[in-house]
Amino acid sequence: RKEVEQDPGPFNVPEGATVAFNCTYSNSASQSFFWYRQDCRKEPKLLMSVYSSGNEDGRFTAQLNRASQYISLLIRDSKLSDSATYLCVVNTPSGNLFFGTGTRLTVIP
Amino acid sequence: NAGVTQTPKFRVLKTGQSMTLLCAQDMNHEYMYWYRQDPGMGLRLIHYSVGEGTTAKGEVPDGYNVSRLKKQNFLLGLESAAPSQTSVYFCASNQGGYYNEQFFGPGTRLTVL
Repeated sequence: RKEVEQDPGPFNVPEGATVAFNCTYSNSASQSFFWYRQDCRKEPKLLMSVYSSGNEDGRFTAQLNRASQYISLLIRDSKLSDSATYLCVVNTPSGNLFFGTGTRLTVIP
Repeated sequence: NAGVTQTPKFRVLKTGQSMTLLCAQDMNHEYMYWYRQDPGMGLRLIHYSVGEGTTAKGEVPDGYNVSRLKKQNFLLGLESAAPSQTSVYFCASNQGGYYNEQFFGPGTRLTVL
């Protein structure tokens, strides 16, 4: 079983739409969780960390459910500039990060 | 601050050739990492270093060697390149710890024919 699994998409949504991505992880002892954004042919960059109580950064909301080993990312009022691949990332007790394969989002005018 | 830089950006090798990828960071980070990214596989850790003079194996270390002689540099070597090593290679660095962001370089696109 993969350490991190996420729906590869693609998700094609109109501007202004709300879209949600989900991710599951296999190691119940995982310590920390992140969403990274990767633009086409570019390096991944941190979008936001995911905290146990859930957290929001502008139009982006991240949630963590430790009991179900599940992480989510909600994007409200989608912009064209949100088009990218979103990587779910988990930090296991080994201290190393495990990356999901990414969910591709295209926001359509 | 340049952040994390990688050289070269692109390279084409023939099977059996060797090469070294260079990663440099100017953020005084202790930890450095080498990943490869393949379609449908996500990023996978090849080797990493928790400080100058140290290296450790990641998830997919076979066929690669690394060295961290200086804190700011992390080298990835391919002694005898194989077509299966065709990939995009990313270097990253951070201060370590479970909650610290990893900063990535722009990547090296390697093709092995």
